Amino acid sequence: EADIYQTPRYLVIGTGKKITLECSQTMGHDKMYWYQQDPGMELHLIHYSYGVNSTEKGDLSSESTVSRIRTEHFPLTLESARPSHTSQYLCASRESGGNYGYTFGSGTRLTVV
Amino acid sequence: AQKVTQAQTEISVVEKEDVTLDCVYETRDTTYYLFWYKQPPSGELVFLIRRNSFDEQNEISGRYSWNFQKSTSSFNFTITASQVVDSAVYFCALTAYGQNFVFGPGTRLSVLP
Repeated sequence: EADIYQTPRYLVIGTGKKITLECSQTMGHDKMYWYQQDPGMELHLIHYSYGVNSTEKGDLSSESTVSRIRTEHFPLTLESARPSHTSQYLCASRESGGNYGYTFGSGTRLTVV
Repeated sequence: AQKVTQAQTEISVVEKEDVTLDCVYETRDTTYYLFWYKQPPSGELVFLIRRNSFDEQNEISGRYSWNFQKSTSSFNFTITASQVVDSAVYFCALTAYGQNFVFGPGTRLSVLP
C-alpha cells in the first residue's frame, strides 16, 4: 500500500501548456525529492526539499519549479511544456535524522506533443 | 565525492539460472549506507535492501542474496533460480548522513522463459 501518491499516472499534453504534477505523502517525512527518468534509464535529481518552505535544485538542470507549502505536498510545475520534457517523473520521500531509504511514488509518465 | 558504478548495462538469462548484479561504490565517508531498488516495467521503484557500512554480513531473503565487501567497495546482488517476474531494472544506491542518494545507472535484467 503506497504512502506516497503521484497524480496523474499518465499525461499527454500539448506544447506550451502549463502543467502541475502532484505528489503527496502521508508519512510525515520532511525530505522530498523529484527525479526525472527516461524509461529504464538513469535517475536524475531535479529538485529536493528538506522541509516546509525549503526547496533546492538538484543535479540536473530543469525548467520545472517546485513548492513546499505543506509537509505532505510537493508539487512540480512546468510553466510551458515542451517535447523535451517528455519523461517519467518520480517523487520520493524520506525520514530525517537517519539514513533510511527513499519511498517512491508510482511516477508520472509525461508526454508532450 | 560519492559515486556508484553498475558496469553491467543489460543482462539476459534463462529462467532458473542464477544471476549476479554488480555494484561498486566510492565514498570518503566512514559511515554510509547502501541500497538496492527494483524498477519493474510498471515504473515504480521498490526498495529491496539497506546495508550500513559497519555490517558486512551477507544477507539472504528467499531467492535474493547480497554480498557486501568493504575491501573491494562492492555490494553485489544475486538472484538464485531467476524467474520471469525478476525482469526489471535494478539500481544500487549510496548515501551518508545528511546527504542525498547517489544512484548507479542501473542494470536491466531480462529473464527469458
